[in-house]
Amino acid sequence: GAVVSQHPSRVICKSGTSVKIECRSLDFQATTMFWYRQFPKQSLMLMATSNEGSKATYEQGVEKDKFLINHASLTLSTLTVTSAHPEDSSFYICSARVPTAGSETQYFGPGTRLLVL
Amino acid sequence: AQSVTQLGSHVSVSEGALVLLRCNYSSSVPPYLFWYVQYPNQGLQLLLKYTSAATLVKGINGFEAEFKKSETSFHLTKPSAHMSDAAEYFCAVSGGGGGNKLTFGTGTQLKVEL
Repeated sequence: GAVVSQHPSRVICKSGTSVKIECRSLDFQATTMFWYRQFPKQSLMLMATSNEGSKATYEQGVEKDKFLINHASLTLSTLTVTSAHPEDSSFYICSARVPTAGSETQYFGPGTRLLVL
Repeated sequence: AQSVTQLGSHVSVSEGALVLLRCNYSSSVPPYLFWYVQYPNQGLQLLLKYTSAATLVKGINGFEAEFKKSETSFHLTKPSAHMSDAAEYFCAVSGGGGGNKLTFGTGTQLKVEL
């Protein structure tokens, strides 16, 4: 099956610093990747859709200047949390859509646990 | 707009018993439906998907789900629960008014007891 990786798996940073999270599709090319945020014991909330070679599409209420998304290649999307604050602490999960005709399947990375002190 | 409702945030079964996790969807057009499983501190793993082919879909680990248009349901079942099935299960819908976006249900925590 399609494999998606994320790095780092866990990161602790100081308030005010920026953190970059990488999402890679390992065995397929993904023109579209998605970034989600998950709070403890809750469902996934879509933050933005990342399209290769173009600007990301952010969901309502998500600050695009705070959560910078770059999809520079067909196998890599990055999410940078700028000027992180404790309320940004969360589990961030990316997914990639497999470009198979007639399928809308997304495959998920293992997630990144962010803790802002 | 599309939405998913998962009835029961917590389900507990005995090992060897039937597993039934409920999912109802709302979509203005024929949807794509998915079940994902999440183990603690991990991402989501695809269990199975319905994409307008056979209404009974078989997935990994012995799980299956049946798409019932008349009931707008896509319940997940497994004949015999195993301890390793204990996890969080998410139903999701895409297509229709949501385009490629996945809309997730609130999740069901499955507990398997000896």
